[in-house]
Amino acid sequence: GQQVMQIPQYQHVQEGEDFTTYCNSSTTLSNIQWYKQRPGGHPVFLIQLVKSGEVKKQKRLTFQFGEAKKNSSLHITATQTTDVGTYFCANIKTSGSRLTFGEGTQLTVNP
Amino acid sequence: DTAVSQTPKYLVTQMGNDKSIKCEQNLGHDTMYWYKQDSKKFLKIMFSYNNKELIINETVPNRFSPKSPDKAHLNLHINSLELGDSAVYFCASRHTGGPNTEAFFGQGTRLTVV
Repeated sequence: GQQVMQIPQYQHVQEGEDFTTYCNSSTTLSNIQWYKQRPGGHPVFLIQLVKSGEVKKQKRLTFQFGEAKKNSSLHITATQTTDVGTYFCANIKTSGSRLTFGEGTQLTVNP
Repeated sequence: DTAVSQTPKYLVTQMGNDKSIKCEQNLGHDTMYWYKQDSKKFLKIMFSYNNKELIINETVPNRFSPKSPDKAHLNLHINSLELGDSAVYFCASRHTGGPNTEAFFGQGTRLTVV
């Protein structure tokens, strides 16, 4: 079954508004990865988090890994139309081979 | 230089036909995957190969048969295609050892069964 649950499934925002997507697990995760898929495109790796409480930033994007390593979030400040796409969290099982994705959050940005 | 390349990009075929999708990676990765993405964008893992050996085989109909002739290639053959097989199929690869464990995806193959 799905190891990570992601919400919301859809998010519509006005350009300039903030956006957050959340990833939750019932079990402790050894790592969390985030990917972005533009419409018509393929998933592209954004970042990986491995430490409890870790926070990483990429320009307007802020990624967090919870203290208990059971949840993660991606926050975009002041969205732009270029942020449109589906954002996925993903987890690699400790054995190293299984890469499982959350359901994804489809973001649309109205100009 | 495309890191992970899939062919074809589009595939339209009739029910009952057999078709293949090819994938090649030039990144030297040891693990390759096939994912199915449905209309709701959900990425479902189908198969994973590590060094040419099948290590993950999810609950996928046995009409789907992956083949890895070498570490750089992972092909997907589908027999007796059904309407429900219509989806986008992504190939991906990654290196399972070390700190750089990101996955690289191919462009996807949009399969339409009519």
